[in-house]
Amino acid sequence: GNSVTQMEGPVTLSEEAFLTINCTYTATGYPSLFWYVQYPGEGLQLLLKATKADDKGSNKGFEATYRKETTSFHLEKGSVQVSDSAVYFCALSGDYKLSFGAGTTVTVRA
Amino acid sequence: DVKVTQSSRYLVKRTGEKVFLECVQDMDHENMFWYRQDPGLGLRLIYFSYDVKMKEKGDIPEGYSVSREKKERFSLILESASTNQTSMYLCAISPPKRGEKLFFGSGTQLSVL
Repeated sequence: GNSVTQMEGPVTLSEEAFLTINCTYTATGYPSLFWYVQYPGEGLQLLLKATKADDKGSNKGFEATYRKETTSFHLEKGSVQVSDSAVYFCALSGDYKLSFGAGTTVTVRA
Repeated sequence: DVKVTQSSRYLVKRTGEKVFLECVQDMDHENMFWYRQDPGLGLRLIYFSYDVKMKEKGDIPEGYSVSREKKERFSLILESASTNQTSMYLCAISPPKRGEKLFFGSGTQLSVL
């Protein structure tokens, strides 16, 4: 079945540091890939998505590239801010439902 | 703005009680989902529904049932709550097109004592 393996946290960074969160997947067919973010006290919201191989999703300075050869969708941001402190989830869509990774808690210190 | 409304933000119940969690959407989307979120385990799918009166088991349906009598409302039922069902419960919706994103409610933190 479909599954997502995500880098374990927590991750603590200083402002303006580079952030990478690794995500690899196992799937049949051609899934779409997503990163969702959950800010403290809020619900999950879509951060970015990619629907086919070599697509790059980007939003709010975050980027992730759909790599079919390595079955990966790593999230990156070049210079994080305190406001990026959140839990990040990698997800994969098979048919109509999403399979999620375990989540990575990121804390950015000023 | 998409609205996915969950009836309670926090809920405390006793072991053995029957618990209803309600989710209402205003987007007329066909697909509705119930997930539970636990630290270190991420989100796990309990049940989903792609139409009125239709339901499909997710990855962890044991101990739960669902009801979808109207398109906009999807209820999660714990027939006899147990302490291992203490969790954050998230409702989500999506349009019927494959690969579309989910819209989430704010969640219900359920504690079973």
